[in-house]
Amino acid sequence: AQSVTQLDSQVPVFEEAPVELRCNYSSSVSVYLFWYVQYPNQGLQLLLKYLSGSTLVKGINGFEAEFNKSQTSFHLRKPSVHISDTAEYFCAVSGTGRRALTFGSGTRLQVQP
Amino acid sequence: GAVVSQHPSRVICKSGTSVKIECRSLDFQATTMFWYRQFPKQSLMLMATSNEGSKATYEQGVEKDKFLINHASLTLSTLTVTSAHPEDSSFYICSARDSASSGNTIYFGEGSWLTVV
Repeated sequence: AQSVTQLDSQVPVFEEAPVELRCNYSSSVSVYLFWYVQYPNQGLQLLLKYLSGSTLVKGINGFEAEFNKSQTSFHLRKPSVHISDTAEYFCAVSGTGRRALTFGSGTRLQVQP
Repeated sequence: GAVVSQHPSRVICKSGTSVKIECRSLDFQATTMFWYRQFPKQSLMLMATSNEGSKATYEQGVEKDKFLINHASLTLSTLTVTSAHPEDSSFYICSARDSASSGNTIYFGEGSWLTVV
């Protein structure tokens, strides 16, 4: 079984500032890692995913994340945020076999002008 | 690109009635689909894994007789909430696995808001 911890429920940040959303996971097996974004009253959109290979993963909208196996982390970063990045962000993990996702509790990114 | 479509996007039903939500993979075949529910301002919780041509696998605590899942074809899974009650009001999201793609990509539908009155 896997679990995901997103320590920050809310992250306020000013426009054009950098941001990091933290994600830690636990698993007894190899995992795939994902970040999804959810805008109000909408479904989920995949930002990026780590399956294998390079530990630095680049996604859409200027986001990137780094897989750190020793620290069991997969933090999401963006060097300069926009107002339009205001949304809920979910970190998720799945086993490499069964592909149901286990989600973290989410982090609300609030970008202020 | 690949798209997963859910219908309806919003539905209001009376307590005691049943409501069906459809999840379709539009340009790929999905032998496996997943159903999640999300309460307001909370995370997504896996309800069940839908397998084409066989019975769904339900997560612990999910009533299989209340949440009926049918995966009759490689592009369609349905979730029927039977004898709905106000506490079933939630956001239901499906996802589908494109096993033919590299990395077994998973796509999410737009979700369905269910309100039981």
